[in-house]
Amino acid sequence: QSVLTQPPSVSAAPGQRVTIWCSGSTSNIGDYSVSWYQQLPGTAPKLLIYDNNKRPSGIPDRISGSKSGTSATLGITGLQTGDEADYYCATWDGSLRTYFFGTGTQVTVL
Amino acid sequence: EVQLVESGGDLVQPGGSLRLSCAASGFTFSAYWMNWVRQAPGKGLEWVANIKEDGSEKDYVDSVKGRFTISRDNAMNSLFLQMNSLRAEDTAVYYCGRGYSNSIESWGQGTLVTVSS
Repeated sequence: QSVLTQPPSVSAAPGQRVTIWCSGSTSNIGDYSVSWYQQLPGTAPKLLIYDNNKRPSGIPDRISGSKSGTSATLGITGLQTGDEADYYCATWDGSLRTYFFGTGTQVTVL
Repeated sequence: EVQLVESGGDLVQPGGSLRLSCAASGFTFSAYWMNWVRQAPGKGLEWVANIKEDGSEKDYVDSVKGRFTISRDNAMNSLFLQMNSLRAEDTAVYYCGRGYSNSIESWGQGTLVTVSS
């Protein structure tokens, strides 16, 4: 099981904002940067955020990330039907020497 | 354009072996850490292993230690995962991914491994 906990699901209407939290500990989020991934149904994951708050080329600025202490947050504004997907946080755990993905959050656009 | 193409997935009996390959193109393969990540049917993502640019460092998730071996051939731009003593719980889609700054920035399309009698 993962050392990173996320809410199983979040939902909002089109155009609204959702936030997804990711809770860890000092040996993972507390010590290492966090990344976030989007996985659309039946497809490979896609990197949305790295180094806590940086967006790869092509990721729109309505996607944002932040980190504070042993938690991280992904924000999506201007929600679109195309945002319906599973979202995962991830980071390295220095004590366990393992890269962990979070438990995953399903985003539903109402 | 970065491309990662996995191959080698198959149906294998419990206790059997399989070797996965990942062909990389569009970037300097020898300059990046590489990863294997898997996803069991209907489940979340699970990191399996990674390997340093020159192959000198490797790490594994506890559940595969002693059974799986990650390796790379920089001359052939290829990543491998040798899987031995396979169990039903190893059934998953296996993805290879290019590492960057504590993230996996590029992903292949995945290859399916099914362990069943």
